[in-house]
Amino acid sequence: GNSVTQMEGPVTLSEEAFLTINCTYTATGYPSLFWYVQYPGEGLQLLLKATKADDKGSNKGFEATYRKETTSFHLEKGSVQVSDSAVYFCALSESFQGAQKLVFGQGTRLTINP
Amino acid sequence: DTGVSQDPRHKITKRGQNVTFRCDPISEHNRLYWYRQTLGQGPEFLTYFQNEAQLEKSRLLSDRFSAERPKGSFSTLEIQRTEQGDSAMYLCASSSTPGQEETQYFGPGTRLLVL
Repeated sequence: GNSVTQMEGPVTLSEEAFLTINCTYTATGYPSLFWYVQYPGEGLQLLLKATKADDKGSNKGFEATYRKETTSFHLEKGSVQVSDSAVYFCALSESFQGAQKLVFGQGTRLTINP
Repeated sequence: DTGVSQDPRHKITKRGQNVTFRCDPISEHNRLYWYRQTLGQGPEFLTYFQNEAQLEKSRLLSDRFSAERPKGSFSTLEIQRTEQGDSAMYLCASSSTPGQEETQYFGPGTRLLVL
């Protein structure tokens, strides 16, 4: 079946450092790809998404490019802030019955130190 | 637009008791999903409603679990005869746009602890 593998955490960086969180996927067909973020005590929030190969999703300084040839969707940010500390989930969509079931990776906990 | 809401936010129960959770989706969202998230893992799909029809159920949803969406608005998830393995965060999400452009909006979740 479809699956998502994320870089294991936790990841700890200093403020203003460059961030990469790796995400690879296995899927039949061409799913949409997502990054969700979960801040402490809150629900999942959509960070960015890409719906087809070579699309780049971006939001709040974060970017990820849908790479079909390497089945990857790595998350990057050029300069992280303390407020970016959260758990990040990579996900793909599985089509069924006209809807989209999300398949998530295990999550990567990111801590940014001032 | 007040977002997806879930109630209660936290529930502690004893093994063998029944519990019920409620999800209120974003108004006019016709699609509603339930997911379960155990500690240190990503959410896993449980079930899906389009309007009031339950169209898909995961194998994770044993016979002790039942979900309803009686009028195509709010949804309830009931767990009967709870077990310690049911301890998890139960997440609800809703959406309105079909196909590849669909975006699911998640609620804050209900954290269940079974003692």
